[in-house]
Amino acid sequence: EVQLVESGGGLVQPGGSLRLSCAASGFSFSNFWMHWVRQVPGKGLVWVSRISGDGISTSYADSVKGRFTISRDNARNTLYLQQNSLRAEDTAVYYCARGGSDWASDYWGQGTLVTVSS
Amino acid sequence: DIQLTQSPPSLSTSVGDRVTITCRTSQSVSSFLNWYQQKPGKAPKLLIYGASSLQTGVPSRFSGSGSGTDFTLTISSLQPEDFASYYCQQSYSIPYTFGQGTKLEIK
Repeated sequence: EVQLVESGGGLVQPGGSLRLSCAASGFSFSNFWMHWVRQVPGKGLVWVSRISGDGISTSYADSVKGRFTISRDNARNTLYLQQNSLRAEDTAVYYCARGGSDWASDYWGQGTLVTVSS
Repeated sequence: DIQLTQSPPSLSTSVGDRVTITCRTSQSVSSFLNWYQQKPGKAPKLLIYGASSLQTGVPSRFSGSGSGTDFTLTISSLQPEDFASYYCQQSYSIPYTFGQGTKLEIK
């Protein structure tokens, strides 16, 4: 069974940093692209970033480029999102998701809430 | 960035109704259009990928169609567990943008 479990969210002050983690199991992690998607509670979904299975290729939304870094440790079956220079508008639930056929996200974690506030 | 416009934003419907949700993209995405269902407090769930391919385990009352810039998600006979929000997403080009969502409510 495919499982994705996020952790690392919490309350952080503006300008602060967090590192989100996503532990994967039930599939061959290194064979799949992985994504981060965020959602302000009560609002819509916003794609944040993606990374290739080998970790070499990455992409970001303009809103986080230069502040967030996606990475992965295939030996630990874990995906990361390093978040620096956090802003109030980064407050959201962050989901990790597996890249499937036609680049759709076929499995999602339960999400972790990041709150940026003083 | 490719913009996605879903309609309607919300829909009041009844069990057994046939429901159609549309998604229009600001430029062609070929068939790289996906549909997700999300219930309150839960993660999104993939329903349809590649415009018309049914994800494994998704009931056959869900179907998708379209290509280019105009797409539809159809639920042939609405069930109680289908009352949720639905999002389209293009996976043709980065950033993989989403529509603003359609909320199905019980009439």
